[in-house]
Amino acid sequence: DIQMTQSPSTLSASVGDRVTITCRASQSVSNRLAWYQQKPGKAPKVLIYKASSLESGVPSRFSGSGSGTEFTLTISSLQPDDFATYYCQRGVTFGQGTKVEIK
Amino acid sequence: EVQLVESGGGLVQPGGSLRLSCVASGFTFSHSEMNWVRQAPGKGLEWVSYISSSGGSIYYADSVKGRFTISRDNAKNSLYLQMNSLRAEDTAVYYCARDAGAAAGSYFDSWGQGTLVTVSS
Repeated sequence: DIQMTQSPSTLSASVGDRVTITCRASQSVSNRLAWYQQKPGKAPKVLIYKASSLESGVPSRFSGSGSGTEFTLTISSLQPDDFATYYCQRGVTFGQGTKVEIK
Repeated sequence: EVQLVESGGGLVQPGGSLRLSCVASGFTFSHSEMNWVRQAPGKGLEWVSYISSSGGSIYYADSVKGRFTISRDNAKNSLYLQMNSLRAEDTAVYYCARDAGAAAGSYFDSWGQGTLVTVSS
């Protein structure tokens, strides 16, 4: 089974910061990777699919890159609404999550 | 607007059964692959089961294989999860999620609000 490993597990940042989250696959997944945002008590919401495609309606400050085994989710300028937990996903496997906290 | 509404969660004793439902609207349900994904309290996301648009292909996570059964009724725009022999470790919020399909990269593009299943004596 493919394993997905995110880093860091927790990230402390301030409004306006550039934030990068990394997801590594245990073997190549080509570009078949998605990123989700989840807020407490809410369902996850897809941000990025196929590694770098922005889901409709998602702000352009979110971007994804990578292929093969290493991927990144970047928030170019962190906004108050962005404090949440982020997950990568490939197929039936999710990363363990990265919590973005207020610094 | 795509809507997925789960129901059927609740408190059940270990060894008991529960049937979850998910009613879909705002899209052609009969053309869509569907999944159940769960999240234990304070934990991450765990995929549970997949069903193809016709119901002809079904997959389960090893943790639920032999105990859970996924099904669908396309005439009723509904997805189901029959959960038997429930264990404490099945306690979680259960989400139904639409699959965007292999051509789009097999991600979950729409989610319900979730229904909480608590397994406890």
